[in-house]
Amino acid sequence: DSGVTQTPKHLITATGQRVTLRCSPRSGDLSVYWYQQSLDQGLQFLIQYYNGEERAKGNILERFSAQQFPDLHSELNLSSLELGDSALYFCASSAEDRGSSGELFFGEGSRLTVL
Amino acid sequence: GQSLEQPSEVTAVEGAIVQINCTYQTSGFYGLSWYQQHDGGAPTFLSYNALDGLEETGRFSSFLSRSDSYGYLLLQELQMKDSASYFCAASGSARQLTFGSGTQLTVLP
Repeated sequence: DSGVTQTPKHLITATGQRVTLRCSPRSGDLSVYWYQQSLDQGLQFLIQYYNGEERAKGNILERFSAQQFPDLHSELNLSSLELGDSALYFCASSAEDRGSSGELFFGEGSRLTVL
Repeated sequence: GQSLEQPSEVTAVEGAIVQINCTYQTSGFYGLSWYQQHDGGAPTFLSYNALDGLEETGRFSSFLSRSDSYGYLLLQELQMKDSASYFCAASGSARQLTFGSGTQLTVLP
């Protein structure tokens, strides 16, 4: 158990819909990262927050947005969903800002299926 | 930008030694990490190299050569439970950890 909690674990929805994925980082961690993993693919970095502020942005679509709240939990919002958005969405946390220790703690992921 | 290359598949037999290579191109490189992922589960951290040389943790070792932009993960005394995907990941000035596409390791009896 990494200490990172993600909900929901599974989500099935239709094209054009909007969903929100939730992440609670490990106790004491200030950084939250969101990654997308499509079938048999690597982990694609989406976005990072540190103590409520956006720190880094990867290849995140304009239809996707995220935020980190004062209690440090984070939400990833996916809107106007397309079939290609079906994937595992992982949240990870770390204590530091730059990820310079190389160690992230991953949640179990939210599996999104868009029909 | 940042990019990492690693083999897509490796197969070895139980008890053997296997090496998974990774080459990287990263701006402001800090270090190279390795993660293990079983069948869509949570990736778990294995090791991190910031300096050149070999780091050993039990049956797993990781190596880094900054001058060659190259690293590898060495798994010894392979066990069936080691069958998984292994990802190298580079940390750099862009702040995020960038992952390679992963190497699927299959351990045969």
